[in-house]
Amino acid sequence: LAKTTQPISMDSYEGQEVNITCSHNNIATNDYITWYQQFPSQGPRFIIQGYKTKVTNEVASLFIPADRKSSTLSLPRVSLSDTAVYYCLVGDEKDSSYKLIFGSGTRLLVRP
Amino acid sequence: SAVISQKPSRDICQRGTSLTIQCQVDSQVTMMFWYRQQPGQSLTLIATANQGSEATYESGFVIDKFPISRPNLTFSTLTVSNMSPEDSSIYLCSVEDRGSGAFFGQGTRLTVV
Repeated sequence: LAKTTQPISMDSYEGQEVNITCSHNNIATNDYITWYQQFPSQGPRFIIQGYKTKVTNEVASLFIPADRKSSTLSLPRVSLSDTAVYYCLVGDEKDSSYKLIFGSGTRLLVRP
Repeated sequence: SAVISQKPSRDICQRGTSLTIQCQVDSQVTMMFWYRQQPGQSLTLIATANQGSEATYESGFVIDKFPISRPNLTFSTLTVSNMSPEDSSIYLCSVEDRGSGAFFGQGTRLTVV
């Protein structure tokens, strides 16, 4: 059973901000929220991780509301090269049985 | 960050044969993971490879079909046995760097004819 729910696909244009929301209603107290990006013919790549409130790095921002039942990945000013599949995962990294379970992901298409 | 080398990058195999995929990491890691990704689909976890113990398989995957070796903390192999066209897929290994997410190899694109 998938632990997360995301839109199957999204379209955007170069220069726009893209927000991808992920639902994780059954998130556990110790779970972190992690987003991965996957380009065709490549393995997924870690983008950002957070537990609560807001996290920002050089690539993206992650917004997590107080109830933590959802999270939003924000990509500022996307370019064509941001066209990829984005996966939201939740899990407790400190759990010895922790393993990454991928949902369907969101296929982002950035148009010129 | 961990650097993962996965070999072969691609192969075309005859049905009924077996292929062994190698995954080499540039640092010692406790757990390594093997995934399968069919065209246009998400990743499906096959098994977790632990050094010094049997691999742990996910539902729908069995050791006879996907035997895994983990001889040390930097290396693992996945064998796809008695292949059929349904096994055509991309196979990826990954390692987890706690606090920094997971790192994936480039994958092995397998075509069974």
